[in-house]
Amino acid sequence: AQSVAQPEDQVNVAEGNPLTVKCTYSVSGNPYLFWYVQYPNRGLQFLLKYITGDNLVKGSYGFEAEFNKSQTSFHLKKPSALVSDSALYFCAVRPNQAGTALIFGKGTTLSVSS
Amino acid sequence: GAVVSQHPSWVICKSGTSVKIECRSLDFQATTMFWYRQFPKQSLMLMATSNEGSKATYEQGVEKDKFLINHASLTLSTLTVTSAHPEDSSFYICSARARGANEQFFGPGTRLTVL
Repeated sequence: AQSVAQPEDQVNVAEGNPLTVKCTYSVSGNPYLFWYVQYPNRGLQFLLKYITGDNLVKGSYGFEAEFNKSQTSFHLKKPSALVSDSALYFCAVRPNQAGTALIFGKGTTLSVSS
Repeated sequence: GAVVSQHPSWVICKSGTSVKIECRSLDFQATTMFWYRQFPKQSLMLMATSNEGSKATYEQGVEKDKFLINHASLTLSTLTVTSAHPEDSSFYICSARARGANEQFFGPGTRLTVL
């Protein structure tokens, strides 16, 4: 079955430190990969995506993610965390088939302390 | 950027009543719309996929007679929760995608509370 795994329920970092939120996937073919952020009682906001090309993708708010095909991973990173980055982060995969919906990971809560 | 709206943002209803949630793409034509539900501190679970002008495709375990989806135009899809019960209380989120596009744009969500 196709799936997305976010192994950490919560990630805690101090402001100014680098952060990593992990994501691995199990999808056939060459999928499209996404990261979204969700603030309380809000919908999802798009951060970045990987379709093809350079494995390092840069997105909104200083976030970036690295696609690693051999490890089937797409970890989200930021060099210096902000308190305002505290939110729920979702990794999502779209199998490379027309009309298919996104498959979401369970989400990782990022908590940045001042 | 592409904007998707949902109305209402929150609704409280009595058990047994029906509730309609609207999802609109404001600045693009959404040939495909998706409906998700999210329980507290959990991921989004896809309920159904709807393509403009055709019947929605429901995920396994989702009752199509209870969750009626209509995608009558390229900018509007509706989800009607019929005969709602307290267990239907959840956060419902729609997303929309234009023809041939890779990216989905998400609405802000609708918080449904059934008393």
